[in-house]
Amino acid sequence: RKEVEQDPGPFNVPEGATVAFNCTYSNSASQSFFWYRQDCRKEPKLLMSVYSSGNEDGRFTAQLNRASQYISLLIRDSKLSDSATYLCVVYPFGDYKLSFGAGTTVTVRA
Amino acid sequence: DAGITQSPRHKVTETGTPVTLRCHQTENHRYMYWYRQDPGHGLRLIHYSYGVKDTDKGEVSDGYSVSRSKTEDFLLTLESATSSQTSVYFCAISEGYEQYFGPGTRLTVT
Repeated sequence: RKEVEQDPGPFNVPEGATVAFNCTYSNSASQSFFWYRQDCRKEPKLLMSVYSSGNEDGRFTAQLNRASQYISLLIRDSKLSDSATYLCVVYPFGDYKLSFGAGTTVTVRA
Repeated sequence: DAGITQSPRHKVTETGTPVTLRCHQTENHRYMYWYRQDPGHGLRLIHYSYGVKDTDKGEVSDGYSVSRSKTEDFLLTLESATSSQTSVYFCAISEGYEQYFGPGTRLTVT
């Protein structure tokens, strides 16, 4: 079983729509969680950290569910520029090596 | 953007030849990482470094070696390139849990 699993999508949504997707992780000792964004043929860039209480950054909301071992990302009022692959990233406890999901592709259409 | 550069950005080489990729940072971060990214696999850790001359293996280290003689430089060497090493290689740096990525090197082994 992979340490981090994501629905690859693609999620095709119209501009202005809300899109949400999850990521599951297998190591219950994982302590830090992030969402990265990767545009086609570019490097991953940190989108946001995921805190236990959930957190928002503008149109983006991240949630953590430790009991069910998943994190989620919700994008409100989607823009064309949100089209990208979103990578779920998990840190196990006491380790500086990240585990990456394979990514969820989101395409926002006009 | 974090000060990370990678060289070369693109390289085509023949099977059996040695190849060295360079990662250079201007952030003075302690940790440096080499990943490869292939379709369907996401980012996989090859090797990482936690200080000058301190390195360790990641999950896909076979066929690769690394060196870090200065804080700012982390070199990845393919001693004898194989077609299975055709990939996009990303370097990353961190001081804490958040990692920042370089622009990547596209390597093709023919």
